[in-house]
Amino acid sequence: KQEVTQIPAALSVPEGENLVLNCSFTDSAIYNLQWFRQDPGKGLTSLLLIQSSQREQTSGRLNASLDKSSGRSTLYIAASQPGDSATYLCAVRPKRGSNYKLTFGKGTLLTVNP
Amino acid sequence: NAGVMQNPRHLVRRRGQEARLRCSPMKGHSHVYWYRQLPEEGLKFMVYLQKENIIDESGMPKERFSAEFPKEGPSILRIQQVVRGDSAAYFCASASGSRHENTGELFFGEGSRLTVL
Repeated sequence: KQEVTQIPAALSVPEGENLVLNCSFTDSAIYNLQWFRQDPGKGLTSLLLIQSSQREQTSGRLNASLDKSSGRSTLYIAASQPGDSATYLCAVRPKRGSNYKLTFGKGTLLTVNP
Repeated sequence: NAGVMQNPRHLVRRRGQEARLRCSPMKGHSHVYWYRQLPEEGLKFMVYLQKENIIDESGMPKERFSAEFPKEGPSILRIQQVVRGDSAAYFCASASGSRHENTGELFFGEGSRLTVL
């Protein structure tokens, strides 16, 4: 059974700092991995989608990497801003079986202080 | 191009009442998924539907919960005789048929937050 763990559970940084969020998964047979942002009381906004054949994806100040063999992904946020404060969720889609079911981590709550 | 629309955004019910949550997928999307987010927990898959078909309901409690996606109109998640443990955020996601197969990208709505008193 796939399990997704996100570390740390919460992170508080001063504005301008570069930071890394971690996601690990137990079953490396994944189709893809997706990073989402969730603001309080809001839905999920897709940030980056990495296919299993890819090593990284970039969008603006965000860079996500994937090491499938070790079961890890990182989300790197450069020059953090207060507007980046949110919960960041990692989700994997399995390669086998019911591959439409995403397995989510519990998220990392990020606070960027002005 | 509207995204996934869910309503109501907030719903309060007393124990024993019924809750109906609606989801309109993105235009052109024929695949709908419902996920539940309990307090302090990650999102959990509940059910996967295509038009007029339930593809996989393995994540849904066997009693009191049902889902449908009719030929016309939104998908509906129905919870009968609600209990306090049903209090959660219920998210709907949609995907198009062909794009879903190629990229696996789901688009989520803003969720419906159910509070059971």
